[in-house]
Amino acid sequence: ETGVTQTPRHLVMGMTNKKSLKCEQHLGHNAMYWYKQSAKKPLELMFVYSLEERVENNSVPSRFSPECPNSSHLFLHLHTLQPEDSALYLCASSQDSGGQGRYGYTFGSGTRLTVV
Amino acid sequence: AQKVTQAQTEISVVEKEDVTLDCVYETRDTTYYLFWYKQPPSGELVFLIRRNSFDEQNEISGRYSWNFQKSTSSFNFTITASQVVDSAVYFCALSTDQAGTALIFGKGTTLSVSS
Repeated sequence: ETGVTQTPRHLVMGMTNKKSLKCEQHLGHNAMYWYKQSAKKPLELMFVYSLEERVENNSVPSRFSPECPNSSHLFLHLHTLQPEDSALYLCASSQDSGGQGRYGYTFGSGTRLTVV
Repeated sequence: AQKVTQAQTEISVVEKEDVTLDCVYETRDTTYYLFWYKQPPSGELVFLIRRNSFDEQNEISGRYSWNFQKSTSSFNFTITASQVVDSAVYFCALSTDQAGTALIFGKGTTLSVSS
């Protein structure tokens, strides 16, 4: 496989469930990102990992918990979510070890999450 | 502070019309990079172009062209002879050399092309 792969593509979960989103990049990139995109809202940066260390966390609620076990994999663990957390969650990767994206980001297809 | 403004929220055109998507950016850095991404209904953001601050040459790729003007801090995107497949959300983005600062996106412009 090439590029950035996200699974699952669609997820429906109850507010008391625990689930995880997975992202895998096959590009040899050094940084990975989670973005949230709600309906009619701009892209919101959630987390940045560079060389497997978290370098930015944009005040995301603790019910979202990221994990980056190695430079190719990124997870977003979800628990006790709210209906307003329903959104498209996009993963991206970039070459820059500082996470700045000078060469742009490569995005996955996203996971469309619905919280019921 | 870095900022990207896409003032046009939604644009509707009829096939074969030309359309320009505006992007205005703010940065105090002398070295920076500008991007355009396309997001079709499937959701994935697709890279279209990257420009660095030292290269003001306009670029043309098929029906797509980009006009970079440092004097007005603008990086506009024109689609010539639009097609229904061009319908998507288009994002302009900015990055710099500063480590720890992620790519900054505008709010996006939704383009609808009808037949």
